[in-house]
Amino acid sequence: SQQGEEDPQALSIQEGENATMNCSYKTSINNLQWYRQNSGRGLVHLILIRSNEREKHSGRLRVTLDTSKKSSSLLITASRAADTASYFCATDGSGTYKYIFGTGTRLKVLA
Amino acid sequence: GAGVSQSPSNKVTEKGKDVELRCDPISGHTALYWYRQRLGQGLEFLIYFQGNSAPDKSGLPSDRFSAERTGESVSTLTIQRTQQEDSAVYLCASSLAGLDTQYFGPGTRLTVL
Repeated sequence: SQQGEEDPQALSIQEGENATMNCSYKTSINNLQWYRQNSGRGLVHLILIRSNEREKHSGRLRVTLDTSKKSSSLLITASRAADTASYFCATDGSGTYKYIFGTGTRLKVLA
Repeated sequence: GAGVSQSPSNKVTEKGKDVELRCDPISGHTALYWYRQRLGQGLEFLIYFQGNSAPDKSGLPSDRFSAERTGESVSTLTIQRTQQEDSAVYLCASSLAGLDTQYFGPGTRLTVL
């Protein structure tokens, strides 16, 4: 089964609102990454957060990590129509070098 | 510099035929990954190469799937005797090392008729 599970599966918001997506995982990790995918093709890396970090920011993106709950959240502030995409979290299993991706959250931002 | 490239971008084949998909990673990246993504689904890990170490093939779904990588350069994913359920987008990613940020190629969309 997937290591990471995102929720919600789909999210529809108005432009200017904030969007929050969550990711839960099962085993201990070294890193957790968030990616964006437009139109079902290549993924774009957004943020990498390490297991000893609790929060990271990049522009309008804020990622938190709670290793005690094995969960992470991605917050997109002041959303834009261009943020419409699928968002995936990816986790490595501690001691392995492969990343396992969740099933993704499909975000739609309405203009 | 150039990103990860994949070819072909689209491939339509008949059931039972073999296909070969190619990935050119970013120069200097020692780690290379292949994933499969079915329509509307998440990414399914297939195989991982790291330098000259033995690849992690734990995600290959059947013995019809194989992949090779020459040193730290090009990789090819081969699917023999394709089946309709093999229809998907096949994504390749490379990273500087095993736990670094992965950079994805645009994918190859495989359609098996």
